[in-house]
Amino acid sequence: GAVVSQHPSWVICKSGTSVKIECRSLDFQATTMFWYRQFPKQSLMLMATSNEGSKATYEQGVEKDKFLINHASLTLSTLTVTSAHPEDSSFYICSAREYRYEQYFGPGTRLTVT
Amino acid sequence: KQEVTQIPAALSVPEGENLVLNCSFTDSAIYNLQWFRQDPGKGLTSLLLIQSSQREQTSGRLNASLDKSSGRSTLYIAASQPGDSATYLCAVGSGGGADGLTFGKGTHLIIQP
Repeated sequence: GAVVSQHPSWVICKSGTSVKIECRSLDFQATTMFWYRQFPKQSLMLMATSNEGSKATYEQGVEKDKFLINHASLTLSTLTVTSAHPEDSSFYICSAREYRYEQYFGPGTRLTVT
Repeated sequence: KQEVTQIPAALSVPEGENLVLNCSFTDSAIYNLQWFRQDPGKGLTSLLLIQSSQREQTSGRLNASLDKSSGRSTLYIAASQPGDSATYLCAVGSGGGADGLTFGKGTHLIIQP
């Protein structure tokens, strides 16, 4: 149990375009989902927290107009990187949690912006 | 703001050795602490989760301890194997469990056959 999926697993897009990443909890209802970003040889940094039906809370330094997060249901959250630039290339990982139980992590999405 | 530090940053040992990875955190008011494993280019595999009220957790050859008052945790790996080679991440949960995790930079572990 407690499986979280992400789609796509990798994506290449051109500079200036937008890309959407999906995060799904497959066998539980995720009241909260988190989005993290990991640059090469760096650790994971929390980008934002989203609760179902509410606006996401962004960490300091993360542009909310650039990284659009939607948590429309208890099993799905999406992260849209708008007007992507090469510096947005990174490994994006989501996690999901039911109430205040353990966070379960997705397999990650590698984004490359050319 | 919580900060998590992992020492050493890298470690290379021969197969069969027992080893200890260290994690320290600056704010002792944590909700839980979790150890993960990450293989190159992959996502996270959860190894052990310790709630703030617990002192240790064990799973197979892995044992993690938590000393909340001193802001420290250790991950003990017994009888290391080449398959244990990976980056090990320590992460701290705060805010009564409502907040996201704060991660250390990890220990890159290589087990030599």
